[in-house]
Amino acid sequence: DAKTTQPPSMDCAEGRAANLPCNHSTISGNEYVYWYRQIHSQGPQYIIHGLKNNETNEMASLIITEDRKSSTLILPHATLRDTAVYYCIADHHGSGNTGKLIFGQGTTLQVKP
Amino acid sequence: SAVISQKPSRDICQRGTSLTIQCQVDSQVTMMFWYRQQPGQSLTLIATANQGSEATYESGFVIDKFPISRPNLTFSTLTVSNMSPEDSSIYLCSVVKGVRTEAFFGQGTRLTVV
Repeated sequence: DAKTTQPPSMDCAEGRAANLPCNHSTISGNEYVYWYRQIHSQGPQYIIHGLKNNETNEMASLIITEDRKSSTLILPHATLRDTAVYYCIADHHGSGNTGKLIFGQGTTLQVKP
Repeated sequence: SAVISQKPSRDICQRGTSLTIQCQVDSQVTMMFWYRQQPGQSLTLIATANQGSEATYESGFVIDKFPISRPNLTFSTLTVSNMSPEDSSIYLCSVVKGVRTEAFFGQGTRLTVV
């Protein structure tokens, strides 16, 4: 699995967009980019994933660069409840992969009033 | 989606004893995993719980210390054996229902060893 690099912490004003970057320069062609978050004292929660096209769901948008070496998770209107640790994971869900996740240190997002 | 129930949610144990953590899922799942989260740290995969066979352990984790059972497609247990204060962590169960689908996590078991 490709290694990912994220900034350790970020701040965002409530109501503004939060843009969380992730570098995955060694990602291989069959590896997806997954984002999870962990709110204090809870288990991680899935947010979104993508391979090479931009993706959007009710929680967030995922922008993947054309060379797939980096991506950005966008929370369009951050609220205080979005304060959490955000994990970017490169993972391949194909033949031979069991779905296990290798977590890095993630980015602690602090949303401020 | 999948709803995961972990028991107990927290416990305080004496060193040298063992604790068994249960993970119950509300539907059949393909894969089940156990993770450890030490204080202030990220999650580390302990093992993959295989139905009807021995679990697959990650480097640094052994069966004698963390025996795992998975008798069916909805249930698994993790035992933390011969505990020491260094085992104080949050232990989390995770499941995946199919290929290219997301993982779901339980709320975790917060273990303190004194």
